[in-house]
Amino acid sequence: SYELTQPPSVSVSPGQTARITCSGDALPKQYAYWYQQKPGQAPVLMMYKDTERPSGIPERFSGSRSGTTVTLTISGVRPEDEADYYCQSADSSANYPVVFGGGTRLTVL
Amino acid sequence: QVQLQESGPGLVKPSQTLSLTCTVSSGSISSDSYYWSWIRQHPGKGLEWIGYIRYSGTTYYNPSLQSRVTMSVDTSKNQFSLRLNSVTAADTAVYYCARGGFTMTSSFDYWGQGTLVTVSS
Repeated sequence: SYELTQPPSVSVSPGQTARITCSGDALPKQYAYWYQQKPGQAPVLMMYKDTERPSGIPERFSGSRSGTTVTLTISGVRPEDEADYYCQSADSSANYPVVFGGGTRLTVL
Repeated sequence: QVQLQESGPGLVKPSQTLSLTCTVSSGSISSDSYYWSWIRQHPGKGLEWIGYIRYSGTTYYNPSLQSRVTMSVDTSKNQFSLRLNSVTAADTAVYYCARGGFTMTSSFDYWGQGTLVTVSS
């Protein structure tokens, strides 16, 4: 199987910058996607193809990649950004075409 | 705006078959552009992809679940379905249906609200 690794938790104060990482061996070859999930709700797509923001997603959300790690950056964090964040990608041969990271709980202090 | 809605029993007995249907509205399931998926989330845990189906009936399942999973599509009703057999308590989860786009590795842009399925006698 293939795994994507995320930190279990990230904490920041309002107005600061939060960086959530996702690591996987195949990330240099496969796009990464990011979802936000608030309690009791379905996930919402926040970033696709590493760096592309869907319509309606605030500009304070951005994505980047460096080698086997992709990062979701939230600039000027707001209290409403508190949520779980999941990355998604695939293994290099797409035998596992959809794999999710374990999720990162963002806490806004 | 495309909407997806899961439906099915919220309680299934161990060893029986879990059956769910996803109804797609404000959009056609009969498009070669999309991969229609089932994703589940165990209580308090992360997301697990179960598999996808295309309108043509082509399927691909998570290798870890493929021995127990069957998906089908009914284009006349704009629905697709999930069957998971021989369930145990470990299959208790919120089950989501979602639309993936263009390639099998694409992101999911529309999700259903999710339905909790509990496996218990």
